[in-house]
Amino acid sequence: ELQLVQSGAEVKKPGESLKISCKGSGYTFTTYWIGWVRQMPGKGLEWMGIIYPGDSDTRYSPSFQGQVTISADKSISTAYLQWSSLKASDTAMYYCARSPYSYGYLDVWGKGTTVTVSS
Amino acid sequence: QSALTQPPSVSGSPGQSVTISCTGTSSDVGSYNRVSWYQQPPGTAPKLMIYEVSNRPSGVPDRFSGSKSGNTASLTISGLQAEDEADYYCSSYTSSSTWVFGTGTTVTVL
Repeated sequence: ELQLVQSGAEVKKPGESLKISCKGSGYTFTTYWIGWVRQMPGKGLEWMGIIYPGDSDTRYSPSFQGQVTISADKSISTAYLQWSSLKASDTAMYYCARSPYSYGYLDVWGKGTTVTVSS
Repeated sequence: QSALTQPPSVSGSPGQSVTISCTGTSSDVGSYNRVSWYQQPPGTAPKLMIYEVSNRPSGVPDRFSGSKSGNTASLTISGLQAEDEADYYCSSYTSSSTWVFGTGTTVTVL
């Protein structure tokens, strides 16, 4: 079955680091891009960035450049989104989704990972 | 990068048609046929409804259609059904090689 399975909910304190994951199955992981999307509580969708697991080519939206790191391990068909020092404003739902192109649409979505940052 | 502009809400009775606009600029919607639309019912992940302005993925009812004129893209839902109640977001590729979502529109079936 074609799917993206995301890691479970996280509760962290400000200043802590975090890495969440997105595992693809049912398709050739290295031939599709994986994008990350943020949705803050009660708010809309925001593009964060996208990675091509085949060669780790990565693009970031300006708002997220330097704030997060997107990576992938093609040997285990998994993409990652990580923070080195979380802030309360990082509290949100984070979705990964597949795209056939770097400029493209997101055709398969994970169920999302809730990240809560609170002291 | 400013979000694309959508109306906060639209509503219609069952069987009616509603249209959601998505206004960008000549640097995004106006320059590329890379506009997509997503449906997000409450508490669920978004779902692709339209890609590349007017193409429907397999499984999406043909009641959903997309178009574009200049800097504005549109999603039309014909024959509105109760199950269509959700938030809808447009998205476009931009001349900065980035992407932008719309502000989102809540569709209510009266």
